[in-house]
Amino acid sequence: AAGVIQSPRHLIKEKRETATLKCYPIPRHDTVYWYQQGPGQDPQFLISFYEKMQSDKGSIPDRFSAQQFSDYHSELNMSSLELGDSALYFCASSSRTGGEGETQYFGPGTRLLVL
Amino acid sequence: QKEVEQNSGPLSVPEGAIASLNCTYSDRVSQSFFWYRQYSGKSPELIMSIYSNGDKEDGRFTAQLNKASQYVSLLIRDSQPSDSATYLCAVPFSYGNNRLAFGKGNQVVVIP
Repeated sequence: AAGVIQSPRHLIKEKRETATLKCYPIPRHDTVYWYQQGPGQDPQFLISFYEKMQSDKGSIPDRFSAQQFSDYHSELNMSSLELGDSALYFCASSSRTGGEGETQYFGPGTRLLVL
Repeated sequence: QKEVEQNSGPLSVPEGAIASLNCTYSDRVSQSFFWYRQYSGKSPELIMSIYSNGDKEDGRFTAQLNKASQYVSLLIRDSQPSDSATYLCAVPFSYGNNRLAFGKGNQVVVIP
């Protein structure tokens, strides 16, 4: 079965640079979620989109922005990167109409390292 | 208070034994509960979802839910070395458009 696709898988940036992470949800999934997981931490919710509209916002810095496009893929844009942004970034997708109680399936993640 | 609590430290179990993991949550109106398995450096992998009080079995995994006590558990029977991972309990916020709140996770080590 098709899974959530994320790119790139690894990213190294310098402080104050920008980064763009991409997420392609499972086909026919209408909701995308972004989570950040620091070393030794549990995943923390950043932001979500349903049908291309922002549906919820968590602890996402103002330096970050995200959107969902007409083909349902989503991009997380991160500017003025800081050392503390180094983390694993996961995208998850779910379907509100799929009968699975909006179960979220996670992509493989992007490992971001800020130097 | 964290919304989802997993208080146990690392759990070491011999191969073939039962591993028991516990999770409590604070939102009384939560309706769905998930257990994810996460290997180091990898993404969370869904292993169990449960929505109704009682037990739900899937292979060697059994989830138990008690909404009155706000408690959900996971049993891993016949533990295998490949079960060595961190197990995350996750509960959607009832007011947050389904964002997941995770516990800190329980690290399980299965000793051959």
